[in-house]
Amino acid sequence: EVQLLESGGGLVQPGGSLRLSCAASGFTFSNYAMSWVRQAPGKGLEWVSGISGSGGDTYYADYVKGRFTISRDNSKNTLYLQMSSLRAEDTAIYYCAKTRNYFDSSGYHYFFDYWGQGNLVTVSS
Amino acid sequence: DIVMTQSPDSLAVSLGERATINCKSSQSVLYSSNNKNHLAWYQQKPGQPPKLLIYWASTRESGVPDRFSGSGSGTDFTLTISSLQAEDVAVYYCQQYYRTPYTFGQGTKLEIK
Repeated sequence: EVQLLESGGGLVQPGGSLRLSCAASGFTFSNYAMSWVRQAPGKGLEWVSGISGSGGDTYYADYVKGRFTISRDNSKNTLYLQMSSLRAEDTAIYYCAKTRNYFDSSGYHYFFDYWGQGNLVTVSS
Repeated sequence: DIVMTQSPDSLAVSLGERATINCKSSQSVLYSSNNKNHLAWYQQKPGQPPKLLIYWASTRESGVPDRFSGSGSGTDFTLTISSLQAEDVAVYYCQQYYRTPYTFGQGTKLEIK
């Protein structure tokens, strides 16, 4: 059974930093891309970042590029999101998602087949 | 960015009746070289994470009941629930994975009439 368990969320002041973790089990972690998707309270879904199975390729939405860094440790079956220069608009539930990855001549394509329960990040003074 | 627009925003359907949710993309998500529409549908029940229902616009994920079906191509897509069950009350989202940033529709809230 696929399990994804996020941790590391909480309250942080604007301009601060936080690192989210996602511990994965039930599948061969290194064989799959992974992603972070967030959901502001009462709002819709917003893709944040993705990473290939090897960790060699990373992708970011423009609204977090330069502030967030996605990484993974395949020896620990763990995905990370390092968040810095946090803003109030980054307040959201952050989900890690096992990613189905399809490659064609136009590039990589990600959709999300398993999601963690989510971790709330609140940016407020 | 590709903008995904769903309609309606909310929908109330009687048990056993058909529910139809629409999703329109601001540009085509059909890749002509492989004739695949890069479109997925998710279901999110209250207090839960999203669940993948449909990908490639019409391929049902393993374990998803066959009352759920997806159709459409290019820029216009539909999720249909053929006979609404009480457990289908949820918010439904479409997502394009044609190019980054991967974007979602705003969601359609489905309730029982």
